[in-house]
Amino acid sequence: VHLVESGGGLVRPGGSLRLSCVASGFTLGPYWVSWVRQAPGRGLEWVANINQDGSEKFFVDSVKGRFTISRDNAKNSVYLQMNSLSAEDTAVYYCARAIGISSCLWGQGTLVTVSS
Amino acid sequence: QSVLTQPPSASGTPGQRVTISCSGSSSNIGNNPVNWYQQFPRTAPTLLMYGNNQRPSGVPERFSGSKSGTSASLAIGGLQSEDEADYYCAAWDDRLNAYVFGAGTKVTVL
Repeated sequence: VHLVESGGGLVRPGGSLRLSCVASGFTLGPYWVSWVRQAPGRGLEWVANINQDGSEKFFVDSVKGRFTISRDNAKNSVYLQMNSLSAEDTAVYYCARAIGISSCLWGQGTLVTVSS
Repeated sequence: QSVLTQPPSASGTPGQRVTISCSGSSSNIGNNPVNWYQQFPRTAPTLLMYGNNQRPSGVPERFSGSKSGTSASLAIGGLQSEDEADYYCAAWDDRLNAYVFGAGTKVTVL
């Protein structure tokens, strides 16, 4: 039972990245999924979440209008599209299943570095 | 500035009881359950406590949680060396429509 994030890397300011979160060993469909980031040496910051069928989505103010979240339950996956990236978006990005209940599960994270 | 306020550090000797506070407001802790996460260096966080005082399977009984009004706390009774980690409180905020974390508390075992 795992969540595996991918898609991180080095991107220039103003650029875009699409992160993927793929579930292995279980079906992701029944769960809310969140993205949480952690800048180097800093604490956790919730970024966004999405409900089971994708009809409800919430974002932290700092990414509204720049990031979108989506899911494809047939592919057991959730995505975070990040546009207009800046240095302040540099962080390890984690996806998490059911972040606030007993079935909570975190991925290992993927590093996003925004630098020229 | 985090919406939830935690002390930056806490410490104790093995066997001591250590308590971490988490202060919020009526829109978050006051109206929603509090969750706690444990994070070791260079690893992903894990859920330590949910619904104010519920331990997920596998979490030792020495960890306990409580909530009163707009504040919550995590207690580690009988501190052990393997408890040295960062601890974060979190809750949904109805006014922000966001899940908010505290800044984290680093627990050191002396």
